[in-house]
Amino acid sequence: DQQVKQNSPSLSVQEGRISILNCDYTNSMFDYFLWYKKYPAEGPTFLISISSIKDKNEDGRFTVFLNKSAKHLSLHIVPSQPGDSAVYFCAASVNSGYSTLTFGKGTMLLVSP
Amino acid sequence: DAGVIQSPRHEVTEMGQEVTLRCKPISGHDYLFWYRQTMMRGLELLIYFNNNVPIDDSGMPEDRFSAKMPNASFSTLKIQPSEPRDSAVYFCASSLGRRGAQYFGPGTRLTVT
Repeated sequence: DQQVKQNSPSLSVQEGRISILNCDYTNSMFDYFLWYKKYPAEGPTFLISISSIKDKNEDGRFTVFLNKSAKHLSLHIVPSQPGDSAVYFCAASVNSGYSTLTFGKGTMLLVSP
Repeated sequence: DAGVIQSPRHEVTEMGQEVTLRCKPISGHDYLFWYRQTMMRGLELLIYFNNNVPIDDSGMPEDRFSAKMPNASFSTLKIQPSEPRDSAVYFCASSLGRRGAQYFGPGTRLTVT
């Protein structure tokens, strides 16, 4: 039973536009969420995180939004660049991040020029 | 810093053979994680260590899998005997502190024929 779900296997966006990647979770105990980015033949790279006490966290072009009532989070990339083309993984944890991470299966983002 | 180093990058072996995957974490990191990535199950945590001590191995699929961390700069994941269903990409990651962002190595792609 997948506790972290990324229902869109892929997403295509034009350069300069907004990319929105979605993630849903089922475990109400999750209180810390992270996004990782992965290029081919490389390991995942940490991108941004958010604690459940917040509903938004921003870092440059990347913003993560958390809707606890809907058990949903999203990653916004504005503006999207071709170098953002990668697989994006959503991950969740309990105990304010002091437990192991549960990952979604990822969404492949393709940003075309 | 060289980041997390994994070897080999690719391993092809026959069913029944022993396979050993190696990992060198980032110097100074006190947590080390082993993950497995497959199409069906995504990224799964197998085992993690804190200060060279195994803390949680509940993700290890069966007794054929074992992991060791003899010192702070080296860990191994061994599969004996290997089976075709073990074919996957195996990642090692390390972090500073339990809640720190995990830094992943490039992974080892294992193919068991």
